[in-house]
Amino acid sequence: KNQVEQSPQSLIILEGKNCTLQCNYTVSPFSNLRWYKQDTGRGPVSLTIMTFSENTKSNGRYTATLDADTKQSSLHITASQLSDSASYICVVSASANEKLTFGTGTRLTIIP
Amino acid sequence: ETGVTQSPTHLIKTRGQQVTLRCSSQSGHNTVSWYQQALGQGPQFIFQYYREEENGRGNFPPRFSGLQFPNYSSELNVNALELDDSALYLCASNSPGINEQYFGPGTRLTVT
Repeated sequence: KNQVEQSPQSLIILEGKNCTLQCNYTVSPFSNLRWYKQDTGRGPVSLTIMTFSENTKSNGRYTATLDADTKQSSLHITASQLSDSASYICVVSASANEKLTFGTGTRLTIIP
Repeated sequence: ETGVTQSPTHLIKTRGQQVTLRCSSQSGHNTVSWYQQALGQGPQFIFQYYREEENGRGNFPPRFSGLQFPNYSSELNVNALELDDSALYLCASNSPGINEQYFGPGTRLTVT
Protein backbone atom coordinates (compact mmCIF):
# COMPACT_ATOMS: atom_id res chain seq x y z
CA LYS A 1 0.00 0.00 0.00
CA ASN A 2 1.33 3.43 -0.94
CA GLN A 3 1.95 5.55 2.13
CA VAL A 4 3.49 8.89 3.02
CA GLU A 5 4.48 9.59 6.62
CA GLN A 6 5.50 12.99 7.95
CA SER A 7 7.19 14.12 11.12
CA PRO A 8 6.85 15.88 13.38
CA GLN A 9 3.07 16.09 13.52
CA SER A 10 3.33 19.64 14.84
CA LEU A 11 6.13 22.11 15.49
CA ILE A 12 6.36 25.49 17.21
CA ILE A 13 9.39 27.71 16.63
CA LEU A 14 10.37 31.31 17.21
CA GLU A 15 10.24 33.79 14.37
CA GLY A 16 13.60 33.99 12.60
CA LYS A 17 14.65 30.43 13.44
CA ASN A 18 15.17 27.62 10.95
CA CYS A 19 13.36 24.31 10.91
CA THR A 20 13.31 21.02 9.00
CA LEU A 21 10.29 18.86 8.28
CA GLN A 22 10.60 15.18 7.35
CA CYS A 23 8.78 12.92 4.92
CA ASN A 24 9.17 9.15 4.38
CA TYR A 25 7.31 7.37 1.63
CA THR A 26 6.61 3.87 0.38
CA VAL A 27 5.10 4.81 -2.98
CA SER A 28 6.04 2.76 -6.00
CA PRO A 29 6.75 3.29 -8.80
CA PHE A 30 7.94 6.76 -7.94
CA SER A 31 7.24 9.65 -10.28
CA ASN A 32 7.72 12.82 -8.26
CA LEU A 33 7.53 14.30 -4.77
CA ARG A 34 5.95 17.62 -3.93
CA TRP A 35 5.77 19.82 -0.89
CA TYR A 36 2.65 21.92 -0.44
CA LYS A 37 1.83 24.69 2.01
CA GLN A 38 -1.75 24.81 3.21
CA ASP A 39 -3.17 27.67 5.22
CA THR A 40 -6.07 26.75 7.48
CA GLY A 41 -9.27 26.22 5.49
CA ARG A 42 -7.56 26.91 2.17
CA GLY A 43 -6.35 24.79 -0.72
CA PRO A 44 -2.72 23.58 -0.82
CA VAL A 45 -0.20 25.67 -2.73
CA SER A 46 2.80 24.01 -4.33
CA LEU A 47 6.26 24.88 -2.97
CA THR A 48 8.53 22.41 -4.79
CA ILE A 49 8.35 19.41 -7.11
CA MET A 50 11.22 16.94 -7.47
CA THR A 51 11.63 14.00 -9.80
CA PHE A 52 13.77 10.92 -9.24
CA SER A 53 16.91 12.56 -10.59
CA GLU A 54 16.71 15.70 -8.45
CA ASN A 55 18.04 15.72 -4.91
CA THR A 56 17.49 19.33 -3.96
CA LYS A 57 15.27 22.20 -5.02
CA SER A 58 14.81 25.66 -3.57
CA ASN A 59 11.98 28.16 -3.62
CA GLY A 60 13.04 31.28 -1.76
CA ARG A 61 13.47 30.38 1.91
CA TYR A 62 12.20 26.85 1.28
CA THR A 63 14.66 24.11 0.33
CA ALA A 64 13.53 20.55 -0.31
CA THR A 65 15.81 17.52 -0.49
CA LEU A 66 15.10 14.07 -1.85
CA ASP A 67 16.93 10.77 -1.27
CA ALA A 68 15.25 8.33 -3.64
CA ASP A 69 17.35 5.43 -2.32
CA THR A 70 16.12 5.76 1.26
CA LYS A 71 12.75 7.19 0.13
CA GLN A 72 13.10 10.23 2.34
CA SER A 73 12.56 13.92 1.77
CA SER A 74 12.95 16.99 3.92
CA LEU A 75 11.75 20.58 3.72
CA HIS A 76 14.02 23.16 5.30
CA ILE A 77 12.66 26.61 6.10
CA THR A 78 15.20 29.35 6.69
CA ALA A 79 14.65 32.50 8.76
CA SER A 80 11.03 31.69 9.51
CA GLN A 81 8.34 34.36 9.32
CA LEU A 82 4.93 34.57 10.98
CA SER A 83 3.35 33.95 7.57
CA ASP A 84 5.03 30.54 7.45
CA SER A 85 2.50 29.31 10.00
CA ALA A 86 0.58 26.63 8.08
CA SER A 87 0.39 22.92 7.42
CA TYR A 88 3.09 21.51 5.18
CA ILE A 89 2.07 18.46 3.23
CA CYS A 90 4.34 15.99 1.46
CA VAL A 91 2.75 14.43 -1.61
CA VAL A 92 4.11 11.61 -3.74
CA SER A 93 2.98 10.69 -7.23
CA ALA A 94 3.20 7.03 -8.19
CA SER A 95 2.85 7.51 -11.92
CA ALA A 96 2.58 10.05 -14.65
CA ASN A 97 -1.22 10.05 -14.44
CA GLU A 98 -0.98 12.24 -11.36
CA LYS A 99 -2.76 10.13 -8.76
CA LEU A 100 -1.26 11.46 -5.59
CA THR A 101 -0.65 10.03 -2.13
CA PHE A 102 -0.76 12.69 0.58
CA GLY A 103 0.90 12.76 3.96
CA THR A 104 -1.12 14.03 6.91
CA GLY A 105 1.06 17.11 7.13
CA THR A 106 3.14 18.93 9.72
CA ARG A 107 1.40 21.79 11.48
CA LEU A 108 3.98 24.58 11.83
CA THR A 109 3.39 27.53 14.14
CA ILE A 110 5.73 30.51 14.18
CA ILE A 111 5.58 32.63 17.32
CA PRO A 112 6.93 36.18 17.68
CA GLU B 1 -4.01 32.54 -6.81
CA THR B 2 -4.01 29.27 -8.75
CA GLY B 3 -6.78 30.11 -11.23
CA VAL B 4 -8.95 27.28 -9.87
CA THR B 5 -12.21 28.39 -8.28
CA GLN B 6 -14.74 26.47 -6.22
CA SER B 7 -18.27 27.22 -5.09
CA PRO B 8 -19.76 27.55 -2.63
CA THR B 9 -17.09 28.34 -0.04
CA HIS B 10 -19.17 27.01 2.83
CA LEU B 11 -22.23 24.80 3.00
CA ILE B 12 -24.35 23.32 5.76
CA LYS B 13 -26.55 20.31 5.01
CA THR B 14 -28.63 17.86 6.97
CA ARG B 15 -27.94 14.12 7.10
CA GLY B 16 -29.67 12.34 4.23
CA GLN B 17 -29.67 15.35 1.90
CA GLN B 18 -27.82 15.67 -1.40
CA VAL B 19 -25.17 18.25 -2.29
CA THR B 20 -23.45 19.50 -5.44
CA LEU B 21 -20.07 21.20 -5.31
CA ARG B 22 -18.59 23.02 -8.27
CA CYS B 23 -15.11 23.63 -9.62
CA SER B 24 -13.78 25.74 -12.48
CA SER B 25 -10.40 24.60 -13.69
CA GLN B 26 -7.48 26.71 -14.69
CA SER B 27 -7.71 27.68 -18.36
CA GLY B 28 -6.45 24.91 -20.67
CA HIS B 29 -6.47 22.22 -17.99
CA ASN B 30 -8.48 19.17 -19.09
CA THR B 31 -7.90 17.01 -16.02
CA VAL B 32 -9.58 17.58 -12.66
CA SER B 33 -9.25 15.65 -9.42
CA TRP B 34 -11.43 15.83 -6.34
CA TYR B 35 -10.24 15.29 -2.78
CA GLN B 36 -11.85 15.07 0.64
CA GLN B 37 -9.88 16.47 3.55
CA ALA B 38 -11.10 15.78 7.06
CA LEU B 39 -9.97 18.11 9.83
CA GLY B 40 -6.32 17.50 10.72
CA GLN B 41 -5.84 14.97 7.92
CA GLY B 42 -4.28 14.99 4.48
CA PRO B 43 -6.51 15.08 1.40
CA GLN B 44 -7.96 11.74 0.28
CA PHE B 45 -8.40 11.11 -3.45
CA ILE B 46 -12.07 10.74 -4.50
CA PHE B 47 -11.82 10.57 -8.30
CA GLN B 48 -10.29 12.13 -11.38
CA TYR B 49 -11.86 13.22 -14.67
CA TYR B 50 -10.07 13.59 -17.98
CA ARG B 51 -11.92 14.96 -20.99
CA GLU B 52 -15.31 14.32 -19.38
CA GLU B 53 -14.56 10.66 -18.51
CA GLU B 54 -13.79 9.26 -15.07
CA ASN B 55 -10.11 8.37 -15.02
CA GLY B 56 -9.60 6.71 -11.68
CA ARG B 57 -11.38 6.51 -8.37
CA GLY B 58 -10.33 6.28 -4.75
CA ASN B 59 -11.96 4.32 -1.95
CA PHE B 60 -15.27 6.20 -1.86
CA PRO B 61 -18.79 4.73 -2.17
CA PRO B 62 -20.96 5.22 -5.29
CA ARG B 63 -22.97 7.95 -3.61
CA PHE B 64 -19.97 10.14 -4.45
CA SER B 65 -20.28 10.92 -8.15
CA GLY B 66 -18.92 13.50 -10.53
CA LEU B 67 -19.22 15.21 -13.86
CA GLN B 68 -16.86 17.11 -16.08
CA PHE B 69 -18.25 19.42 -18.73
CA PRO B 70 -16.93 20.34 -22.20
CA ASN B 71 -15.47 23.56 -20.80
CA TYR B 72 -13.62 21.34 -18.25
CA SER B 73 -15.53 22.69 -15.25
CA SER B 74 -16.56 19.95 -12.87
CA GLU B 75 -19.09 18.93 -10.25
CA LEU B 76 -18.92 16.64 -7.24
CA ASN B 77 -22.26 15.20 -6.13
CA VAL B 78 -22.80 13.46 -2.83
CA ASN B 79 -26.09 11.70 -2.10
CA ALA B 80 -27.51 10.54 1.22
CA LEU B 81 -25.14 12.71 3.23
CA GLU B 82 -23.65 11.27 6.40
CA LEU B 83 -22.13 13.09 9.35
CA ASP B 84 -18.67 11.78 8.37
CA ASP B 85 -18.96 13.57 5.04
CA SER B 86 -18.22 16.82 6.87
CA ALA B 87 -14.89 17.94 5.43
CA LEU B 88 -13.07 20.37 3.15
CA TYR B 89 -13.57 19.30 -0.47
CA LEU B 90 -10.78 20.29 -2.81
CA CYS B 91 -10.55 20.16 -6.56
CA ALA B 92 -7.30 20.35 -8.46
CA SER B 93 -6.64 20.74 -12.16
CA ASN B 94 -3.68 20.03 -14.39
CA SER B 95 -2.79 19.45 -18.01
CA PRO B 96 -1.68 15.90 -18.81
CA GLY B 97 2.06 15.47 -18.80
CA ILE B 98 2.65 18.51 -16.64
CA ASN B 99 3.82 17.61 -13.13
CA GLU B 100 1.72 20.18 -11.35
CA GLN B 101 -1.72 20.14 -9.79
CA TYR B 102 -3.31 23.47 -8.98
CA PHE B 103 -5.74 23.39 -6.09
CA GLY B 104 -8.81 25.48 -5.58
CA PRO B 105 -9.57 27.11 -2.21
CA GLY B 106 -11.98 24.32 -1.26
CA THR B 107 -15.59 24.02 -0.14
CA ARG B 108 -16.19 23.49 3.57
CA LEU B 109 -19.15 21.09 3.95
CA THR B 110 -20.78 20.61 7.32
CA VAL B 111 -23.37 17.85 7.74
CA THR B 112 -25.59 18.10 10.82
